[in-house]
Amino acid sequence: GAVVSQHPSWVICKSGTSVKIECRSLDFQATTMFWYRQFPKQSLMLMATSNEGSKATYEQGVEKDKFLINHASLTLSTLTVTSAHPEDSSFYICSARDRRGGGLNQPQHFGDGTRLSIL
Amino acid sequence: DAKTTQPNSMESNEEEPVHLPCNHSTISGTDYIHWYRQLPSQGPEYVIHGLTSNVNNRMASLAIAEDRKSSTLILHRATLRDAAVYYCILRLGTYKYIFGTGTRLKVLA
Repeated sequence: GAVVSQHPSWVICKSGTSVKIECRSLDFQATTMFWYRQFPKQSLMLMATSNEGSKATYEQGVEKDKFLINHASLTLSTLTVTSAHPEDSSFYICSARDRRGGGLNQPQHFGDGTRLSIL
Repeated sequence: DAKTTQPNSMESNEEEPVHLPCNHSTISGTDYIHWYRQLPSQGPEYVIHGLTSNVNNRMASLAIAEDRKSSTLILHRATLRDAAVYYCILRLGTYKYIFGTGTRLKVLA
């Protein structure tokens, strides 16, 4: 159980293109989903936290107009990288936290990530 | 913000126990300690978490120091499949998870 599906797993596109990444919790409902970014050989960096039905909370230094997050249902959150440029190339990973028990004592369940390469 | 400090890498022989340390000297009373591990090109996998008491599950044990300034993840019998980067993470409040730099565990056959 507790499967998070992230799609696509790999994207290569031209500079200036907008790219949408989907994150779905397949067998549980997630009030809260998280988006991370990871550069090669580095740790994960939290970009934003999204709660179903409300605006995402972005970490300091993350441009909300650049990285659009939508969390329209308890099982789906999307991250759109708008007008992507080569410096946006990275490994983007989502996670979701089960809402049962209020969610606070539940672990995060991670997707397998999306490798984004901007040419 | 509180942060965690871990050794960059560790080695273990197969079938032997592994103790992965983590320092979090600036932890506050409500910060949970989480451990995840990550294989190359995959998302992290949940291992274990706790607040104050030691915790056991089918994957590992978590030993938390009495002052909570450090913790140790214990893999009782390392296998080759346990080779990964292990992250010690603090959950600050409700939503914020702070990842450390991680320990790359190498398991020798």
